[in-house]
Amino acid sequence: DTGVSQDPRHKITKRGQNVTFRCDPISEHNRLYWYRQTLGQGPEFLTYFQNEAQLEKSRLLSDRFSAERPKGSFSTLEIQRTEQGDSAMYLCASSFDRGKQETQYFGPGTRLLVL
Amino acid sequence: AQSVTQLGSHVSVSEGALVLLRCNYSSSVPPYLFWYVQYPNQGLQLLLKYTSAATLVKGINGFEAEFKKSETSFHLTKPSAHMSDAAEYFCAVSSTGNQFYFGTGTSLTVIP
Repeated sequence: DTGVSQDPRHKITKRGQNVTFRCDPISEHNRLYWYRQTLGQGPEFLTYFQNEAQLEKSRLLSDRFSAERPKGSFSTLEIQRTEQGDSAMYLCASSFDRGKQETQYFGPGTRLLVL
Repeated sequence: AQSVTQLGSHVSVSEGALVLLRCNYSSSVPPYLFWYVQYPNQGLQLLLKYTSAATLVKGINGFEAEFKKSETSFHLTKPSAHMSDAAEYFCAVSSTGNQFYFGTGTSLTVIP
C-alpha cells in the first residue's frame, strides 16, 4: 500500500506532556497538510508544506504546536505541554502540485487523548 | 473567504432508496468542490471532485454530484442506497489549492 501513513494511530498522554506525530506522504507528492478533527466536526486546516517549506499556518496553530518537514518527505507535528483541549484526531494529507487544484489524499489519522 | 454548509447532520434512508446529501458553499472566486467519505476510525476517502469541467460529476461507489452556480450548491446523490454506504460524508471547498474548508459533516444511516 503506497497511501499516506501516520504513526502512531492512537496516543494517550497526560496533560503537560509533549507528543510527536509522524506522517509519511505518498512518495511523489510535494505538498503535505496537517488537519485537526474534533468529534462531530469536519477537519480544520492547521498548516501545509510545499516540499520542506512551511508556507501557511492557521491561527489554530498555537505556539505549543510545531511542524517540520526537514527533507521534503515525511513530516512531524509536535505538541508541547499538551492540554485537554488538544484531544482530537490529527489528520495528514498529501497532494502533488501541478499548478492547479489537486486532490488531497488523507492518512488514517492519529487519535490523541489528553488526560 | 470560503465556507461550506452541510444541511442535516444526520440523514437516514432505507436500503435501495435515493440518497441526497446537501452542500452549499460560499466562495469569492470560482471554487473547487469535493466530497469525502469517512468510515469510523479511518481517514477521509475522496468520492468525487468538481474542478470547473462538467457540472455533473460522477464519483466512486455510484455517487454523483451536480455543481449549480446559481444555487451555490454541490449536493451529493446516489440512486440506491446500500448498507455499506453508512458513513460520515464531508463536503469541502477550495479556491487557492492550499487550504480546504470542510463542512461539519453528514452522518448517513442506511436502514435495512
